Amino acid sequence: KQEVTQIPAALSVPEGENLVLNCSFTDSAIYNLQWFRQDPGKGLTSLLLIQSSQREQTSGRLNASLDKSSGRSTLYIAASQPGDSATYLCAVRYNAGNMLTFGGGTRLMVKP
Amino acid sequence: EAQVTQNPRYLITVTGKKLTVTCSQNMNHEYMSWYRQDPGLGLRQIYYSMNVEVTDKGDVPEGYKVSRKEKRNFPLILESPSPNQTSLYFCASNPLTGLNTEAFFGQGTRLTVV
Repeated sequence: KQEVTQIPAALSVPEGENLVLNCSFTDSAIYNLQWFRQDPGKGLTSLLLIQSSQREQTSGRLNASLDKSSGRSTLYIAASQPGDSATYLCAVRYNAGNMLTFGGGTRLMVKP
Repeated sequence: EAQVTQNPRYLITVTGKKLTVTCSQNMNHEYMSWYRQDPGLGLRQIYYSMNVEVTDKGDVPEGYKVSRKEKRNFPLILESPSPNQTSLYFCASNPLTGLNTEAFFGQGTRLTVV
């Protein structure tokens, strides 16, 4: 079964820290990987999309990397701010279909 | 603005009373899908559609129906809702091919069945 795992499930850091969120997947035959942000009770906001042929994508203070051979992706957040507090989800689209398989998310709290 | 629009955002209903949650996208995407999100279980796909008149079951289709009569709309139908369908529902769309196959999600519909 194709699974996506995010560790840790929750993370609390002081404002200003650089941090890394982890996502691992069991099957390297992926089409793309997408990182989302979800605020409590709200929708999913797409942060970054990495195609299978890419190694990383950057948007502002966010950088996502992809290593298919090891089945891992990381989301790097530079100079974290309280407004970054949210749940971060990674989702994998495998080659065999179009469904997104989601990880359980990492709930991030950035303290002022 | 590119977006996926769901309605309603919040809904409280009683067991057995048929309801429909609407979903519309303005990006001309071929692929549309419905997910439900539950604590401890994450997001799971209910149904999906590859194009007009083409729909198929996802991982948790029991108790749901969908239709795709037009490319932009993909309503989710609960013929006889039950309390175990209380959940947060998301509609999503993405293109099937091309350089950018980013998935877009609606704002969610919080459904409570009493």
